[in-house]
Amino acid sequence: AQKITQTQPGMFVQEKEAVTLDCTYDTSDPSYGLFWYKQPSSGEMIFLIYQGSYDQQNATEGRYSLNFQKARKSANLVISASQLGDSAMYFCAMREPDYKLSFGAGTTVTVRA
Amino acid sequence: DTGVSQDPRHKITKRGQNVTFRCDPISEHNRLYWYRQTLGQGPEFLTYFQNEAQLEKSRLLSDRFSAERPKGSFSTLEIQRTEQGDSAMYLCASSDMGGYTFGSGTRLTVV
Repeated sequence: AQKITQTQPGMFVQEKEAVTLDCTYDTSDPSYGLFWYKQPSSGEMIFLIYQGSYDQQNATEGRYSLNFQKARKSANLVISASQLGDSAMYFCAMREPDYKLSFGAGTTVTVRA
Repeated sequence: DTGVSQDPRHKITKRGQNVTFRCDPISEHNRLYWYRQTLGQGPEFLTYFQNEAQLEKSRLLSDRFSAERPKGSFSTLEIQRTEQGDSAMYLCASSDMGGYTFGSGTRLTVV
């Protein structure tokens, strides 16, 4: 069964605008972690932001923020003030109790000048 | 320590040949993971180690695949009798109790 669902295969955003990438997850374990990674065309997986299941506040890292809605099992990534260098594939991932990471199918973001 | 290193970055092999990839994790990380990623998809879990013990293997890991992590340091992933369907990016990651650091991957092309 799909544990991480990213429903947006691709998105276009204008430079300097904000974009929200959707992620829903499925787990029955009360303890889990949610990650977002950026993968440019060069292939490396770059960590962006982390949210723990017990964290009371939404995580923020610079221009990245995570809209964590636990009851809805969603963990959407918001990128503010988009830059051309933000064009990449973005993956949502969940850490399972055995410390494996399960990834969604990803969302391709293209920033237009 | 500059991160997770993977070697080679690219590998082109003929169908039926054996290939071996290497991953050097961050030295203080005791967990090491292998993932496979096909074009346009998210990484799929293959196997992981805690120190030198291989704790889990995915059903994706057929008998042609084997991974080792001798002495709990670097790891190797070997694919025997490669098939065209093995063409993919093979990613290695290491972790401690916190986050995960990924290598740049090995892109395998089977021709």
